[in-house]
Amino acid sequence: KQEVTQIPAALSVPEGENLVLNCSFTDSAIYNLQWFRQDPGKGLTSLLLIQSSQREQTSGRLNASLDKSSGRSTLYIAASQPGDSATYLCAVLTGANNLFFGTGTRLTVIP
Amino acid sequence: GAGVSQSPSNKVTEKGKDVELRCDPISGHTALYWYRQSLGQGLEFLIYFQGNSAPDKSGLPSDRFSAERTGGSVSTLTIQRTQQEDSAVYLCASSFLVGELFFGEGSRLTVL
Repeated sequence: KQEVTQIPAALSVPEGENLVLNCSFTDSAIYNLQWFRQDPGKGLTSLLLIQSSQREQTSGRLNASLDKSSGRSTLYIAASQPGDSATYLCAVLTGANNLFFGTGTRLTVIP
Repeated sequence: GAGVSQSPSNKVTEKGKDVELRCDPISGHTALYWYRQSLGQGLEFLIYFQGNSAPDKSGLPSDRFSAERTGGSVSTLTIQRTQQEDSAVYLCASSFLVGELFFGEGSRLTVL
């Protein structure tokens, strides 16, 4: 069974700092990997989707990379802002259309 | 619609009552997922639909939980004889085939 791990579980950084969130998965046979953010009491907002054939995707200050063979993805956030404070989740989609989520990284950006 | 819509947004019920939660996916999306998120916890997979079929019901916690999807669109998640441990936020998501997944805002269920 696919297992998705996110490290660290929580992270605090001062405003303006660049940071990296990590996601690892045990089975490399995936269709895609998606990064989400979740604000307290809210649903999940899609940030970036990387297909299995892709190496990275960029959106604004966000860059996500995928190394399928090693079972890793990173989410890079440049010039962090207090509004980036949220829980970030990664999820991998497998061949059976099963979607496996990590437990998330809770990010706090300190003004 | 513009996004995934869930109703009700909040539901408070008494133990033993039945509840129905509704999900309206994005128009044209073929896949629909239900997840449960308890306070401070990660997402727990419940059930997945492709069209009207549910190839994977493995996540339903007990036989008190059931779900259906009609017309390849709206889905309802029904919880019978609710228990206090059913209290959680129930999240619905949809996607086109194996594309990007979009979530609704969730239905917060509180069982007294």
